[in-house]
Amino acid sequence: EDQVTQSPEALRLQEGESSSLNCSYTVSGLRGLFWYRQDPGKGPEFLFTLYSAGEEKEKERLKATLTKKESFLHITAPKPEDSATYLCAVTGTASKLTFGTGTRLQVTL
Amino acid sequence: ETGVTQTPRHLVMGMTNKKSLKCEQHLGHNAMYWYKQSAKKPLELMFVYNFKEQTENNSVPSRFSPECPNSSHLFLHLHTLQPEDSALYLCASSQQPGVEQYFGPGTRLTVT
Repeated sequence: EDQVTQSPEALRLQEGESSSLNCSYTVSGLRGLFWYRQDPGKGPEFLFTLYSAGEEKEKERLKATLTKKESFLHITAPKPEDSATYLCAVTGTASKLTFGTGTRLQVTL
Repeated sequence: ETGVTQTPRHLVMGMTNKKSLKCEQHLGHNAMYWYKQSAKKPLELMFVYNFKEQTENNSVPSRFSPECPNSSHLFLHLHTLQPEDSALYLCASSQQPGVEQYFGPGTRLTVT
């Protein structure tokens, strides 16, 4: 059974204080790892897909990386508007997404 | 309208009521999904449709009944729900199963 574990559960940063979120996974035949952002009371917003170990993707202050066991979402010089819950999901040979419980990020002034 | 839309955004229903949730996607995708999101839990996949055909039912109680009349529309019919069914219900779509999914804003359901 595919599994995704995200850490930390919650993270509080000051504006400009860079950090990383972790997503550890076990999956049968990785076909993709996905990162989403979810604001309170809204649906998840797609950020990135990573397909193979060593791959990296960037968008503004976010950079996602992938190894054979985990993925990191690096947040560089975050701003208050980056506050959200970040979700990680994987898909393997079963072709369905398995989600983690997310990391709740709060960025303060 | 763009992306994935869901109506209603909020729903309060009694345990004996019957209601339906509606989802529409404007992305030209072939697969659609229903998820349940409860506090402190990962998203729970409920149903999967691919080209209008149901391909997955994740042991969902029969009080939840999906309907997919075409690749753009998805419904979730609700009847005799329980208070523990209160949650955020999310619809998503993707080009095909196993690739990135795009989510709607969700319906916040409260069962009293």
